[in-house]
Amino acid sequence: EAGVVQSPRYKIIEKKQPVAFWCNPISGHNTLYWYLQNLGQGPELLIRYENEEAVDDSQLPKDRFSAERLKGVDSTLKIQPAELGDSAVYLCASSITGTSDEQFFGPGTRLTVL
Amino acid sequence: AQSVAQPEDQVNVAEGNPLTVKCTYSVSGNPYLFWYVQYPNRGLQFLLKYITGDNLVKGSYGFEAEFNKSQTSFHLKKPSALVSDSALYFCAVTADSNYQLIWGAGTKLIIKP
Repeated sequence: EAGVVQSPRYKIIEKKQPVAFWCNPISGHNTLYWYLQNLGQGPELLIRYENEEAVDDSQLPKDRFSAERLKGVDSTLKIQPAELGDSAVYLCASSITGTSDEQFFGPGTRLTVL
Repeated sequence: AQSVAQPEDQVNVAEGNPLTVKCTYSVSGNPYLFWYVQYPNRGLQFLLKYITGDNLVKGSYGFEAEFNKSQTSFHLKKPSALVSDSALYFCAVTADSNYQLIWGAGTKLIIKP
């Protein structure tokens, strides 16, 4: 069974440029998460989807971040414009449901904003 | 409000010795507790979880954790540590009353040969 797929793995951009990350969850997983992780710290939830509906986006900086999960399968997270402080690893995870099921994580995208 | 604490930033253990990584939590309702591991330059991996039932939960790579309701703890344990267990370990908690997964800050486990 294929795991969670993310691309790209690494991205280097200059500040004020846009950037997008893509995630394909495990087949059959209804819940999809986007996290931000700084080095040596725990993941911070940005947004959680149940199928195509964003059910928790309270921590998403909506002035510059946006996300979509069309058709309830793969998802895209966008930052426009990027700031220096956005440098981090962006993780995508999926689970069968959003309650007691464990999450499966992709390898992440390491973003560096110069 | 829900919270989870990993009181140790780093735990050092000699190879072959037992290890414990501590986690305490605070939730309203029945807790759902998870342990994840992150090896260097790799993604997070699920280790084990407690939802209900037996307080002692066994997981991947020989790890186990004990749910203690009175002490609101869910410590991760392994009887004999391996150098390859060296990684960053995260405890996470949510509850049946209000789904919001809260992550601990992580504990760096270093196993010395």
